[in-house]
Amino acid sequence: AQSVTQLDSQVPVFEEAPVELRCNYSSSVSVYLFWYVQYPNQGLQLLLKYLSGSTLVKGINGFEAEFNKSQTSFHLRKPSVHISDTAEYFCAVSELSGNTPLVFGKGTRLSVIA
Amino acid sequence: DSGVTQTPKHLITATGQRVTLRCSPRSGDLSVYWYQQSLDQGLQFLIQYYNGEERAKGNILERFSAQQFPDLHSELNLSSLELGDSALYFCASSPQDSPLHFGNGTRLTVT
Repeated sequence: AQSVTQLDSQVPVFEEAPVELRCNYSSSVSVYLFWYVQYPNQGLQLLLKYLSGSTLVKGINGFEAEFNKSQTSFHLRKPSVHISDTAEYFCAVSELSGNTPLVFGKGTRLSVIA
Repeated sequence: DSGVTQTPKHLITATGQRVTLRCSPRSGDLSVYWYQQSLDQGLQFLIQYYNGEERAKGNILERFSAQQFPDLHSELNLSSLELGDSALYFCASSPQDSPLHFGNGTRLTVT
């Protein structure tokens, strides 16, 4: 079974500053990795995914994440945040066999301060 | 817009009652997943259907059941409701080997 740990429940950051949201996973098999964002009163929107290939993955809204197999991490980064990035961010993992349920972390609330 | 439609958006009901949540997946997606989001438990996987058949089961209570119909829409039935069942219920769909696309959820309040 897989599990995901998001190390920070809340991250406040000033506008235009860089941010890193941390995610570690545990699995006995190879996995796919995802980051989703949830804006208030909305569903989850896919930010980016790692399926295979390059370990640096670029997503929407200027976000990127790096897969580190040895450290079982998939941290999300953005070099300069905007007020509109304020939201809840979820890291998720699924088995490599495909079409399997996602296991989510508990989420990190990113608050961007003007 | 993810293309996944969930109805109703909000539902308020009393303890002991039964409700049905409905999900229409994106066109062509054969898999439907149900998740429960609450403040204390986070996002919990409940159940997955693939082309009408149950594929995987997560932390779904015996009071809860689901099905996927021939037109691929799905319903989640919650019965004997308790206060603790108050949560956001999300449906997601995906084609084979692709990321999940989520609906905007149904907010259930049990009073």
